[in-house]
Amino acid sequence: DAKTTQPTSMDCAEGRAANLPCNHSTISGNEYVYWYRQIHSQGPQYIIHGLKNNETNEMASLIITEDRKSSTLILPHATLRDTAVYYCIVRVSNSGGGADGLTFGKGTHLIIQP
Amino acid sequence: EAGVTQFPSHSVIEKGQTVTLRCDPISGHDNLYWYRRVMGKEIKFLLHFVKESKQDESGMPNNRFLAERTGGTYSTLKVQPAELEDSGVYFCASSQGRDKQFFGPGTRLTVL
Repeated sequence: DAKTTQPTSMDCAEGRAANLPCNHSTISGNEYVYWYRQIHSQGPQYIIHGLKNNETNEMASLIITEDRKSSTLILPHATLRDTAVYYCIVRVSNSGGGADGLTFGKGTHLIIQP
Repeated sequence: EAGVTQFPSHSVIEKGQTVTLRCDPISGHDNLYWYRRVMGKEIKFLLHFVKESKQDESGMPNNRFLAERTGGTYSTLKVQPAELEDSGVYFCASSQGRDKQFFGPGTRLTVL
């Protein structure tokens, strides 16, 4: 799986959009970008994933650059409960090979300020 | 729909003892994963079951760790004998396909 680079920490004001960047310059054509988060003392939680098109769900939006070398996770209206460590993970999805387990890096500690 | 459950939530044992962790995946999920985070380190993948078969156990640290999933439902992870460096949080996850993995709350293991 391709390596990812994320900032160690970020702050965001409550109610504002939180934009979390991730670099994955060595991503392969069949690798997806996944985002998970871990709220303190809980298990990791899936947020969203995508291949090359932008994706949106009830939790967040994922913007992937045209060259797919970087992406941004957007939490449109951050709340205090969004304070967590956010992990950007690149991996082959669906069938057809690739490691099965997720490779968690250090992630970005997002702190939502009241 | 019930989520992934893990038992116990906490376990404190002495070095050399045996501990068995249990994971109940979401009903109908054939894929079951074990991960752990030891103090100060990143979350690491341990192994992956598809039904009752071990699909990938490349992350298992050594032969003191034994995972089973008899009948393809719940899974157990046994550590025997436990060492100090085994302390950490053990997470279980399940999935239907290879996309979203749903994680349990974890078992915090402390080896004294």
